Amino acid sequence: DVKVTQSSRYLVKRTGEKVFLECVQDMDHENMFWYRQDPGLGLRLIYFSYDVKMKEKGDIPEGYSVSREKKERFSLILESASTNQTSMYLCASSFADDFGNEQFFGPGTRLTVL
Amino acid sequence: AQKITQTQPGMFVQEKEAVTLDCTYDTSDPSYGLFWYKQPSSGEMIFLIYQGSYDQQNATEGRYSLNFQKARKSANLVISASQLGDSAMYFCAMREGHIKDKIIFGKGTRLHILP
Repeated sequence: DVKVTQSSRYLVKRTGEKVFLECVQDMDHENMFWYRQDPGLGLRLIYFSYDVKMKEKGDIPEGYSVSREKKERFSLILESASTNQTSMYLCASSFADDFGNEQFFGPGTRLTVL
Repeated sequence: AQKITQTQPGMFVQEKEAVTLDCTYDTSDPSYGLFWYKQPSSGEMIFLIYQGSYDQQNATEGRYSLNFQKARKSANLVISASQLGDSAMYFCAMREGHIKDKIIFGKGTRLHILP
């Protein structure tokens, strides 16, 4: 079974704190993704990575950075958390190169920034 | 312009009835793939069904089928004989050929199945 795990289900942080969200997949997927999900807005792509140390900006990268030092791990970093970053964060992974490769999602991290 | 449009923010359906969730898409790429995901209240995203732009047949997976109308750029999800456990958020998504590793999601439809 494909498994994508995220370091926390719930997280509460203060404005200005540096926040790390970790994601690990165990299926040797090339691609990994970070989304945020807000009511009425669906899923919006923050960053994705198609290989170790490779990353591309998604639709809403401002205020975020990412790190992919190992193939199985993709980290999302909020350099200085702000209240408008309160959201559900979803990590996903997939194989590359085939249209039919679905993304497998982690359980999500609900982040609250106070 | 939105690439994926789901026009039904919410739907209420009686148990055992069939359900159609609408999805239209916008792309000029001849190669693309369409996905449907389900998100129950627990939050995890569950892949349901996939349709490729060159597939001749409509995709089916158990009680799920995809009504693919290429000329209309429509990819509606049909759930036959709905069950209480089908209550969830449903997302339509698309992968385009020229940016094939990324998936674009619609805003979702919340489906409520009534007993």
